[in-house]
Amino acid sequence: QVQLVQSGAEVRKPGASVKVSCKASGYTFSDYYIHWVRQAPGQGLEWMGWINRNSDATNYAQKFQGRVTMTRDTSITTAYMELSRLTSDDTAVYYCARDFSNWNLDYWGQGTLVTVPS
Amino acid sequence: QSALTQPASVSGSPGQSITISCTGTSSDVGAYKYVSWYQQHPGKAPTLMIYDVSNRPSGVSNRFSGSKSGNTASLTISGLQAEDEADYYCSSYTTGSTLVFGGGTKLTVL
Repeated sequence: QVQLVQSGAEVRKPGASVKVSCKASGYTFSDYYIHWVRQAPGQGLEWMGWINRNSDATNYAQKFQGRVTMTRDTSITTAYMELSRLTSDDTAVYYCARDFSNWNLDYWGQGTLVTVPS
Repeated sequence: QSALTQPASVSGSPGQSITISCTGTSSDVGAYKYVSWYQQHPGKAPTLMIYDVSNRPSGVSNRFSGSKSGNTASLTISGLQAEDEADYYCSSYTTGSTLVFGGGTKLTVL
């Protein structure tokens, strides 16, 4: 069965960076885009960006451009999202999700809580 | 890119039908047939309920249906059940190959 398993919770100081991993299994990893979505406490979903099948293209939400980097390693079927220059506003649960077609996200990771104390 | 507009909350009694709207612009909802709906229970990851405006993934109840008219998409849940109580989010593909979500709607089953 398709699974996306993310790395554990992180606590970072303001100004630091965090890198979240997303290990895929149960399907051909290189056949699908991966998106990253975050959700601040008590807030809605916020799209961050995607990385394509071959890792030769990414597209980031304007809000995160210059601060986010999405990568993937097909050899270990894992995608990564790194966010730099963290502030307390970046405290959120970060999700990876598989795009099965047309920006429809059919499988999601369990989420990774990133906490940046103010 | 501004978030799509959803009502903050809706409610209904068991067995009733409810509809949640999702209003965008001619650059997202109005331009493409790539609108999705997600259900999210507290503390859980979102689950895809509707894709490409009106298609249901395998395993999703046929009580859930989607439609679109102009810049507004809608999710209808018929035969409301207690387990449907959750937050619901719409999303749409947008120009520039980006994705935008709605602000979310809290569904309460009375």
